[in-house]
Amino acid sequence: EVQLVESGGGLVQTGGSLRLSCAASGFTFSTYNMSWVRQAPGKGLEWVSDISSSRSTKYNADSVKGRFTISRDNGKNSLYLQMNTLRDEDTAVYYCARIGLWPHNAFDYWGQGALVTVSS
Amino acid sequence: EIVLTQSPGTLSLSPGERATLSCRASQSVSSSYLAWYQQKPGQAPRLLIYGASSRATGIPDRFSGSGSGTDFTLTISRLEPEDFAVYYCQQYGSSPWAFGQGTKVEIK
Repeated sequence: EVQLVESGGGLVQTGGSLRLSCAASGFTFSTYNMSWVRQAPGKGLEWVSDISSSRSTKYNADSVKGRFTISRDNGKNSLYLQMNTLRDEDTAVYYCARIGLWPHNAFDYWGQGALVTVSS
Repeated sequence: EIVLTQSPGTLSLSPGERATLSCRASQSVSSSYLAWYQQKPGQAPRLLIYGASSRATGIPDRFSGSGSGTDFTLTISRLEPEDFAVYYCQQYGSSPWAFGQGTKVEIK
């Protein structure tokens, strides 16, 4: 059974930093591209960042460019999101999501989410 | 950058009725790389449809997707009580990947 479990969420001050983790199990983690998607309270879904299976390619949404860094450790079956210079508008539930194998590159499995609250 | 617009914002229907949800893209979605997700309150989204019309693993056949280019549709043939939720479309043909704003299907 595919499982994605996020951790590391919490309350952080505006301008602060936080690191999210996602522990993957039930599939060959090193084979899949992975992603972070967020959802502000009461709002829709927003894609944040992608990383390829080999770590060679990364994409970021413009809203987080230069502030957030995605990474992964295939030996530990883990995905990370380092969030720096946090803004109030970064407050959201952050989901770790698996990207299906080409050409079916939709987000086929999701974690339960980690809440990040940014406040001064 | 592709923008997805979903309509209607809210759909009020009764169990057993047919639901038709629309997703329109600001430019053509390459190779029909269009997905639909269902989200219930307090839960993560769940993939329903990928490639515009292929059902994901374990999704009942009352859910179907259609369309190409800029116009896509999710149809729920007969609403079950567990189908009342918010539905999002998403394109994954060109970066940045984009989601629609969602359609809420509520009980009438």
